[in-house]
Amino acid sequence: GAVVSQHPSRVICKSGTSVKIECRSLDFQATTMFWYRQFPKQSLMLMATSNEGSKATYEQGVEKDKFLINHASLTLSTLTVTSAHPEDSSFYICSWGQLSNGELFFGEGSRLTVL
Amino acid sequence: AQSVTQPDIHITVSEGASLELRCNYSYGATPYLFWYVQSPGQGLQLLLKYFSGDTLVQGIKGFEAEFKRSQSSFNLRKPSVHWSDAAEYFCAVGAGGAQKLVFGQGTRLTINP
Repeated sequence: GAVVSQHPSRVICKSGTSVKIECRSLDFQATTMFWYRQFPKQSLMLMATSNEGSKATYEQGVEKDKFLINHASLTLSTLTVTSAHPEDSSFYICSWGQLSNGELFFGEGSRLTVL
Repeated sequence: AQSVTQPDIHITVSEGASLELRCNYSYGATPYLFWYVQSPGQGLQLLLKYFSGDTLVQGIKGFEAEFKRSQSSFNLRKPSVHWSDAAEYFCAVGAGGAQKLVFGQGTRLTINP
């Protein structure tokens, strides 16, 4: 399958600071990508859907001003957690591709810990 | 809106035993159905998917799943598990028009030696 890389894989930050997570597709291009978050021992919850060149569409309950998504190209997207709080501590996973043909590829995830 | 239920939070089986992980979905039309596996601290790997056609789907690592429309189920099976199969398994349903996946709660699989 295709390779999706996330960086950093782990990050610890202080409360009130901002953290940026990168998601790159290394060997394919796709217009659409998704950001998920996963709390410990829980499922993945879709945060937002992003199409290259457009503003991201956020799921209900996800604050767009807190979770800034920049979809710079067909291979790079970033998620910035602004003014992080301990409750933002989670595992953030990105995916790229097209659901309609089943070609969705997931990154290895980024674990954020906010102190 | 689509939803997915995985009734078993945690399953323990002995190495070499057969396995069945349950998944029930709710969706008005024919869904896209997926099974993913997640090892600790890792992303998700696709095991198999169902879009249409043959209701018995073969996947990687010896897994298979059967789509049963009448039961709204898409259970994952493996005839003989290996210790390396210990992981978290997620069933997911997608709606093509919505272009997004909804995941079940996950089933954690433990393998006894």
